[in-house]
Amino acid sequence: QKEVEQNSGPLSVPEGAIASLNCTYSDRGSQSFFWYRQYSGKSPELIMFIYSNGDKEDGRFTAQLNKASQYVSLLIRDSQPSDSATYLCAVRGISGGYNKLIFGAGTRLAVHP
Amino acid sequence: EAGVVQSPRYKIIEKKQPVAFWCNPISGHNTLYWYLQNLGQGPELLIRYENEEAVDDSQLPKDRFSAERLKGVDSTLKIQPAELGDSAVYLCASSYTGGSLNEQFFGPGTRLTVL
Repeated sequence: QKEVEQNSGPLSVPEGAIASLNCTYSDRGSQSFFWYRQYSGKSPELIMFIYSNGDKEDGRFTAQLNKASQYVSLLIRDSQPSDSATYLCAVRGISGGYNKLIFGAGTRLAVHP
Repeated sequence: EAGVVQSPRYKIIEKKQPVAFWCNPISGHNTLYWYLQNLGQGPELLIRYENEEAVDDSQLPKDRFSAERLKGVDSTLKIQPAELGDSAVYLCASSYTGGSLNEQFFGPGTRLTVL
């Protein structure tokens, strides 16, 4: 079992729809959760982070965390073609130290006009 | 503020040749990371430095990979000899350990092709 699992996609949504990206993790001691966006040929950039159970909203983005289910998700409202990218889920756990992030393989999102 | 700088951006070499990548982190960032990213995969940590000390190199293939961060600022990652399977993007990231978020900022990466 991989430490951080994501559906590779592609997830295809029409412009204006809600895109829902999901991630599960295996380390129950994980404390912090991050979503990175990576455009093709570019480096990852942080778009959301969440520490506590529940929802966290930032503009069109909402991160959701359920530690009991070891599940974290990212919702993108009013999806735009510019949101088309790979979204990487990253988890910071206890093992390996505070600075260690474990990344999932990413979900490719395609928003079509 | 300048971001993480990496060079070269692209490198093509023949197998068994040596190759080196250079990274200059964001000014003031004490933690530096080298990641490997294969196509369709997420970044995988190779080595992490806290200042000039390598604190996590458990995933670095030490028979052929080496890294250094002599003055606690810029860093070099070397592969000698390179193998076909080393073809990937090598990402450098940096962060400031001291804040609550400890966000990692990534450089543009070096795309290595081994022929």
